[in-house]
Amino acid sequence: QVQLQESGPGLVKPSQTLSLTCTVSGGSVSPGDYYWSWIRQPPGKGLEWIGYIHYSGSTYYNPSLKSRLTISIDMSKNQFSLELNSVTAADTAVYYCAREQLYYFDYWGQGTLVTVSS
Amino acid sequence: ESVLTQSPGSLSLSPGERATLYCRASQTVSRNYLAWYQQKPAQAPRLLIYGASSRATGIPDRFSGSGSGTDFTLTISRLEPEDFAVYYCQQYGSSSYTFGQGTKLEIK
Repeated sequence: QVQLQESGPGLVKPSQTLSLTCTVSGGSVSPGDYYWSWIRQPPGKGLEWIGYIHYSGSTYYNPSLKSRLTISIDMSKNQFSLELNSVTAADTAVYYCAREQLYYFDYWGQGTLVTVSS
Repeated sequence: ESVLTQSPGSLSLSPGERATLYCRASQTVSRNYLAWYQQKPAQAPRLLIYGASSRATGIPDRFSGSGSGTDFTLTISRLEPEDFAVYYCQQYGSSSYTFGQGTKLEIK
């Protein structure tokens, strides 16, 4: 059974960089069948896809976040990571990592709340 | 980028009743690229339906999906107490993903 677990600071100051890591267990990030995504959900609101990475290193980002976003992958640690810079209060959200297979998300992490505040 | 609009925004029904949730896309969506999720408070979304009509592993057969083009439907044939939650549709297009705003299914 594949499991994903997000980790990282729960509080980030405005204008700084939000950094999260997703650790995958019960499976590998390497198979080419899958893409690994970040999705977020502001408190009380809906879901927003942030971007994905493939084990080959190819990425695609939500155009609304592209200028501030980097997603990377570390196959040796079976992890992928998110960096979002120049954060504001609007970036406060629960951040989920998820596995994408054939255009849908079949496994999700439990989510981690990141609050942007001074 | 296709926008997904879900209706109704909220739905109040009783256990045992039938629920019909709608998802309309602003552009044509391939059936292969349409999915539905259920989200309960403080939980991650759970995949229910992919490819517009295929149930994910472990999903009861009271959940069904249908539709094509720009109009898709999630039907719960007979509501159980555990089905009251928020439901999202999701589509893939132009290398990115978008979600509908959600339908909240409440107990009447």
